[in-house]
Amino acid sequence: QKEVEQDPGPLSVPEGAIVSLNCTYSNSAFQYFMWYRQYSRKGPELLMYTYSSGNKEDGRFTAQVDKSSKYISLFIRDSQPSDSATYLCAMYNAGNMLTFGGGTRLMVKP
Amino acid sequence: EADIYQTPRYLVIGTGKKITLECSQTMGHDKMYWYQQDPGMELHLIHYSYGVNSTEKGDLSSESTVSRIRTEHFPLTLESARPSHTSQYLCASSGKGGDSPLHFGNGTRLTVT
Repeated sequence: QKEVEQDPGPLSVPEGAIVSLNCTYSNSAFQYFMWYRQYSRKGPELLMYTYSSGNKEDGRFTAQVDKSSKYISLFIRDSQPSDSATYLCAMYNAGNMLTFGGGTRLMVKP
Repeated sequence: EADIYQTPRYLVIGTGKKITLECSQTMGHDKMYWYQQDPGMELHLIHYSYGVNSTEKGDLSSESTVSRIRTEHFPLTLESARPSHTSQYLCASSGKGGDSPLHFGNGTRLTVT
């Protein structure tokens, strides 16, 4: 079993929809959680970075961490076609190597 | 925006050639990484470095080698390219501290014919 599980999708939504992307993990030592966005033929771009449980908001994006359930989410409000990309969750405990999920491919249709 | 540069962006070469993929960062980051990613697939760590003259192999076995002679430069070399090396190679860096996120370059897409 992988340490970090992420549904590969693809997830297809209409423009303007609220998108929910999720990851589950098994290592309770993970403390730092990230979401990356990767467009086709580009490198991953850091979107959100959170520490411990709770919510963090940045514009249309909200990252949520529930350490008790070992579950993290990324919400995208008012989704746009330009949000179409692969979204990767990543996490680690201090000093260790980053562990990535496999990525969820999102398609936002106009 | 992170300043990490990879060249070339695309490379098509024949089997048996020696190639070097370049990666440079201007952020003064100590830690640098190489990942391999096939289209639509997961990232696999193949090499990393925590500083000058420090290199380690990652989770995925790779026939490539790396060097870290300068902080800002982390080249990856394939002595004899094979079609199985066809993939995208992503370089990343991160700062001091165990909680520093990775910043990625845009990758080199390698095709070995």
